[in-house]
Amino acid sequence: AQTVTQSQPEMSVQEAETVTLSCTYDTSESDYYLFWYKQPPSRQMILVIRQEAYKQQNATENRFSVNFQKAAKSFSLKISDSQLGDAAMYFCAYRRLAYGQNFVFGPGTRLSVLP
Amino acid sequence: NAGVMQNPRHLVRRRGQEARLRCSPMKGHSHVYWYRQLPEEGLKFMVYLQKENIIDESGMPKERFSAEFPKEGPSILRIQQVVRGDSAAYFCASSPSNPLGQGATLYNEQFFGPGTRLTVL
Repeated sequence: AQTVTQSQPEMSVQEAETVTLSCTYDTSESDYYLFWYKQPPSRQMILVIRQEAYKQQNATENRFSVNFQKAAKSFSLKISDSQLGDAAMYFCAYRRLAYGQNFVFGPGTRLSVLP
Repeated sequence: NAGVMQNPRHLVRRRGQEARLRCSPMKGHSHVYWYRQLPEEGLKFMVYLQKENIIDESGMPKERFSAEFPKEGPSILRIQQVVRGDSAAYFCASSPSNPLGQGATLYNEQFFGPGTRLTVL
């Protein structure tokens, strides 16, 4: 079974600074998807970024980028120029490649942004 | 185009009562997934349904929990005889059918609803 681990229950960053959230996962599959989701106090799950394991290039979305290390099964999220609105729970998630597969989520990291 | 809708947003039940949670997928979507988020934890998969079929219920507790997705109407997650440990946020996500057929490799976006927060007194 696949598992996702986030070893940082809480992180904080100063506004405008950069922060990196860690994620490791375990799978025997060679192709899969990895995701970072943001959950603000409203509890809505918001997709931040997605990475296909068969792509060597790291995904980027504006201020958000990932460092995907397939051999190490590591998938960290870097947030640049942090903003107050980035404060939220961040969940790393894994999903198998086949259509109709469910997410496997990590336990989350609570990010605080200090003014 | 409305997103995934869940109702009620908040539900309070006393121990032993039944809870019914509803999920209306996005227009055109025929796949629904239910997840449970216990306090201070990540979302855990419960069940995956297509119209009139349960495809994967490997995450569903064996007793008191059931789910359906009828041909018409929303998907329903039903919890009988609720206990305090059932207090959680319940999310559903929906996705469209795979135009290439089930099992074919094609990325499908899954869209989450806002969740239902169940409190058992």
